[in-house]
Amino acid sequence: GAGVSQTPSNKVTEKGKYVELRCDPISGHTALYWYRQSLGQGPEFLIYFQGTGAADDSGLPNDRFFAVRPEGSVSTLKIQRTERGDSAVYLCASSRDRGQETQYFGPGTRLLVL
Amino acid sequence: SQQGEEDPQALSIQEGENATMNCSYKTSINNLQWYRQNSGRGLVHLILIRSNEREKHSGRLRVTLDTSKKSSSLLITASRAADTASYFCATDGGNQGGKLIFGQGTELSVKP
Repeated sequence: GAGVSQTPSNKVTEKGKYVELRCDPISGHTALYWYRQSLGQGPEFLIYFQGTGAADDSGLPNDRFFAVRPEGSVSTLKIQRTERGDSAVYLCASSRDRGQETQYFGPGTRLLVL
Repeated sequence: SQQGEEDPQALSIQEGENATMNCSYKTSINNLQWYRQNSGRGLVHLILIRSNEREKHSGRLRVTLDTSKKSSSLLITASRAADTASYFCATDGGNQGGKLIFGQGTELSVKP
């Protein structure tokens, strides 16, 4: 079946603008994760959903970042008042459920804030 | 914050040679995983080793885990040019399911 998909693949925006990044997990996967990866670094956890609810949002850097998963499948990561430091690759992953350790990653969205 | 360190940060070898990458972590864990990433995009899961296991094999991959030293190693035998990628270890930080905590990665270059 299809893997995790993310749109857009690239996003260029101006400082201060609002952006939305979308993630389509593998069908049937109840757990969904967002990570952020800066150049030369490993991914850093942002937030994870079990079903529709955010089970752990401890990685969100500040209140400009918000994520939703209203129907328990597709998720949207929203960034308000973007800053140049938000530039990174945003990765989404899903797993069958919270107890399944293997996470399957999407190709990422490369965000550039000018 | 990152879980730990990977060593070396970069490794360049010839095709056919073995590549060894090391990972250290800070907290207790239930399991440790290795992922591969090409060109800074999506990660591919390679292997998972549980805290009560010491060694695991998958094809040309061999992973060891030493929980007393909080370290793991990934060995790729008979490397190929197609193995060129970044390799990351990730732990669960002792949580059941949930977030992964990644190291900073080892960039492997295999020259034909």
